[in-house]
Amino acid sequence: EAGVAQSPRYKIIEKRQSVAFWCNPISGHATLYWYQQILGQGPKLLIQFQNNGVVDDSQLPKDRFSAERLKGVDSTLKIQPAKLEDSAVYLCASSLGLGEGYGYTFGSGTRLTVV
Amino acid sequence: AQSVTQLGSHVSVSEGALVLLRCNYSSSVPPYLFWYVQYPNQGLQLLLKYTSAATLVKGINGFEAEFKKSETSFHLTKPSAHMSDAAEYFCAVSGQGAQKLVFGQGTRLTINP
Repeated sequence: EAGVAQSPRYKIIEKRQSVAFWCNPISGHATLYWYQQILGQGPKLLIQFQNNGVVDDSQLPKDRFSAERLKGVDSTLKIQPAKLEDSAVYLCASSLGLGEGYGYTFGSGTRLTVV
Repeated sequence: AQSVTQLGSHVSVSEGALVLLRCNYSSSVPPYLFWYVQYPNQGLQLLLKYTSAATLVKGINGFEAEFKKSETSFHLTKPSAHMSDAAEYFCAVSGQGAQKLVFGQGTRLTINP
């Protein structure tokens, strides 16, 4: 089966600019996650979708970050305006559903550098 | 709430030696526990997971982990290290019924020839 697709792989922007990341989960996976991984740290959940509804966005900086999952399939994560501390790898993951300890499948990530 | 502590941000072993990566967790509910591996410029790959069945869990690439409730630990081991095992390893926890994964800080494993 095809994996989780993310694009772009790399992005360099100046602070205060905007940027968007795209994720296409595994077909049939109802749950989609966006994680932020700052260099030297473990991934931190930004937002979790179940189909096209938000389950958890408690750690999403809503003043600058937004995410949507149209039609319960693809998802887009946007940052506007970007800050230097947003430099990180943004990982998308998907799983079959909630509960029962399903493992995630992660994409390769988008490495964002804000200068 | 769940949390994970990985003891040692960097572990170095010789090729052929035992690999031991330590993970302790905190969870207010029965946990699910995971180990992921991350190679440079790649996403995370699931090594193994504990979901309240057998306490000794076998994963891919010869790795295994043992769930010890009394010690709140889920250490990752491999009897004989291979050069290809060099990577970053992450322990993660989630509560049953909720799939939000909480990750540890990671342990970078280096293999010396």
